[in-house]
Order: sequence, then C-alpha cells, then structure tokens
Amino acid sequence: QQQVKQSPQSLIVQKGGISIINCAYENTAFDYFPWYQQFPGKGPALLIAIRPDVSEKKEGRFTISFNKSAKQFSLHIMDSQPGDSATYFCAASSGTYKYIFGTGTRLKVLA
Amino acid sequence: SAVISQKPSRDICQRGTSLTIQCQVDSQVTMMFWYRQQPGQSLTLIATANQGSEATYESGFVIDKFPISRPNLTFSTLTVSNMSPEDSSIYLCSTNGAYNEQFFGPGTRLTVL
Repeated sequence: QQQVKQSPQSLIVQKGGISIINCAYENTAFDYFPWYQQFPGKGPALLIAIRPDVSEKKEGRFTISFNKSAKQFSLHIMDSQPGDSATYFCAASSGTYKYIFGTGTRLKVLA
Repeated sequence: SAVISQKPSRDICQRGTSLTIQCQVDSQVTMMFWYRQQPGQSLTLIATANQGSEATYESGFVIDKFPISRPNLTFSTLTVSNMSPEDSSIYLCSTNGAYNEQFFGPGTRLTVL
C-alpha cells in the first residue's frame, strides 16, 4: 500500500531524445507527487511536482503526466541533454511531509 | 527554498564507534527529516525531528541507534551509534517548504570499516 514502484531502473537516451520514467502507487490517499534529480555526490534536488487535481504540469523541458484512475504518474524530459544524466526519484506523500520514494532511475544521455 | 548544509561531508569510521552528523538550515523551519540512502538505493526516512519535542522514528529505526537532537529551529544532529559496516550509507537531512515540498542537504557519506 505504501510502495511507489518506479521503472525503468536505468535508461539510456540519445541527445535530443525524450526520456520517460514511470511511477505507480497504490495508496489513493497520496496527494502530492514530486520528482527529484540527484547527481553523484549530491543531495536530491526537487525538479517538479504535481497534485492530483491536474493531469499534466510542465516546467521547461520537464513534464509530469498524471493518471489518477490508473494511479500512475510519469516524468518526461524533452530534448534530453548530457547534463540531464543523473538519478531520478519519484515520490508520493499524503497530506503530511512523510515521503515514500521510488527506487530510482539512472538516466544516461549520450552525446 | 532553504539552503541546507551538513557536516561532515564524508567520513570513514571504525566498527563500534559513533559519528554525529550536523545539519544547518539558513532559515527557521518547523520540521527536519533524516534519511538514509544505501549505496545505489532509494531514500528511506529514519525520523522526523521537531524543535522542542522528541524525534519520531520510522519502523526499523530506534533512538538508541540513531539519537537525534533538535535544539533550535535551524539545527539538528543525527548520531549513528555503535556502527557496523551495514551502516555505510549516505545520510541526508531535509526540511519542508510551504507547499509540502522537501529540500535536501548535500548528504554525509559514511563508510564503516
């Protein structure tokens, strides 16, 4: 119930391509879904977040798509760049500050 | 967003010893959180620390092993006690923003020999 399942575990994309990372959850009480980007040796940095009252949120090259009925949400990175190479974590919380994190996706963008 | 610093950034410790990690925030915050990130793994919440009250620990984490202090609204410490190699991890502190978001420090990379 408290798990957030993230896929794929790793992803290789050509420069300029679209990177897509998916997450699924079970707990319908979750009401906040952030994505974090983590570079080696650094702490996770908040990238973009969405609440279930909208189906999509876009910030620059990063878009979250949210499907409430399927209990799934995904991160799309348009025009992927080598500088986007990092580990990405989805997360979910339910009205509190307690986050449940996905298992992470290691993205490599080839130049 | 809050700016969070941690000390030390990394350490190598001997089995059976203890290490105290410091977390400093550049503004007053209500809640601070401590996470563990084992090598190549996701983040697991250890405990939530509110100023003026005892920390709330998640299942699998106990105060004797991970004592936490929260003396004021900008500072917290996490101690990893009686360390074993299984404690080798990155330890992260975070704090909350105004809209449920969390901001993380750079982490403390701990290696236990």
